[in-house]
Amino acid sequence: GNSVTQMEGPVTLSEEAFLTINCTYTATGYPSLFWYVQYPGEGLQLLLKATKADDKGSNKGFEATYRKETTSFHLEKGSVQVSDSAVYFCALINYGNTGKLIFGQGTTLQVKP
Amino acid sequence: DTAVSQTPKYLVTQMGNDKSIKCEQNLGHDTMYWYKQDSKKFLKIMFSYNNKELIINETVPNRFSPKSPDKAHLNLHINSLELGDSAVYFCASSQRWDSGTAYEQYFGPGTRLTVT
Repeated sequence: GNSVTQMEGPVTLSEEAFLTINCTYTATGYPSLFWYVQYPGEGLQLLLKATKADDKGSNKGFEATYRKETTSFHLEKGSVQVSDSAVYFCALINYGNTGKLIFGQGTTLQVKP
Repeated sequence: DTAVSQTPKYLVTQMGNDKSIKCEQNLGHDTMYWYKQDSKKFLKIMFSYNNKELIINETVPNRFSPKSPDKAHLNLHINSLELGDSAVYFCASSQRWDSGTAYEQYFGPGTRLTVT
């Protein structure tokens, strides 16, 4: 079946530190991959996406590359800010899967000044 | 000019009651979804409608019944509420799903349901 696994949180960093949140997936075929972010008390916002192997999604300084050979979609940012503190979700949609998003368990990021 | 809105934002009720959560989107999307987020932040699809037609119905107790009066609205009615129903429920919408394209889903702010 389809599944997404993220690194356990919480992740605590100092401002301007480098961020990596690991995400690996299991899926048949060629899924599309997403990172969503949930700020405290809010709904989910799409952060970035990639629809095929070797695609790089990027937004607001965050990047992730679709690696089919390692079935991974790790999220990175070169210099985090306090305002990046949130819960980050890796997710996939598999073609023929009626459009449902399958989420990882979420990783909480806390950035301290 | 909210894209996906839900009401109410908070809902506190007692076991055994029946309640509804409403969702509306003004993005012109054909497909709408309900997701449940549990206390550990885990998100799981419950239902999806494509232009008022049910296309996803995960293993959800039949106490939960979605209703889509038109493609801009997808409501969730819950009968005989139980303690385990306490969660945050998110509505989402996207362009019409088809098997060849994965469209971005836009989420509402969530409804926090607490059953006492």
